[in-house]
Amino acid sequence: QAVVTQEPSLTVSPGGTVTLTCGSSTGAVTSGHYPYWFQQKPGQAPRTLIYDTSNKHSWTPARFSGSLLGGKAALTLSGAQPEDEAEYHCLLSYSNWVFGGGTKLTVL
Amino acid sequence: EVQLVESGGGLVQPGGSLRLSCAASGFTFSSYWMHWVRQAPGTGLVWVSRVNRDGSSTGYADSVKGRFTISRDNAKNTLYLQMDSLRAEDTAVYYCAGFYYDSRGYYDHDYWGQGTLVTVSS
Repeated sequence: QAVVTQEPSLTVSPGGTVTLTCGSSTGAVTSGHYPYWFQQKPGQAPRTLIYDTSNKHSWTPARFSGSLLGGKAALTLSGAQPEDEAEYHCLLSYSNWVFGGGTKLTVL
Repeated sequence: EVQLVESGGGLVQPGGSLRLSCAASGFTFSSYWMHWVRQAPGTGLVWVSRVNRDGSSTGYADSVKGRFTISRDNAKNTLYLQMDSLRAEDTAVYYCAGFYYDSRGYYDHDYWGQGTLVTVSS
């Protein structure tokens, strides 16, 4: 089974920009892995922010964007807000699904 | 209002069994691929299992294959996870989630429940 890797933790200043990445032990992440990004706040269920690499839901703030970067899936937050402090999980599709370990994002 | 409500969690001894249920309402349950995802305390999400719309196709993570069985009853709008030979490392909050794909097979949206806690301990 593939292993999906994320930064365990990142810190961003309010108004700043940060990029979270999602790598695969099998090689480069491609659009064929249909990368998802979920946001999860304490005590809540996950909520999808980005799907199929870069697509957003109507509730996804415009400051979030998804892409492929250097062989990984990437979630970029531009103009961080205090309410963006959360755990972010990426999900890649193989024959089955595999989540990354999650990135705890601190806005400080 | 869309709801996914998990139940059946609790404390069980190693080697024991539990059956989780996920009751769906507010949407056309039979049109959704359903998944179980778990999260041990303080850790990330782990995909556990999935079932297609009519229950004819299932998939499992290697860590639960042969021990867990996913199923669904579209008449009752309910998803199940039968968990046997439970281990301490199965301790987690178990979420059910429904994913909808459009007529071309592209993802459209998803719904998640609030989770049920399973604790495996003697």
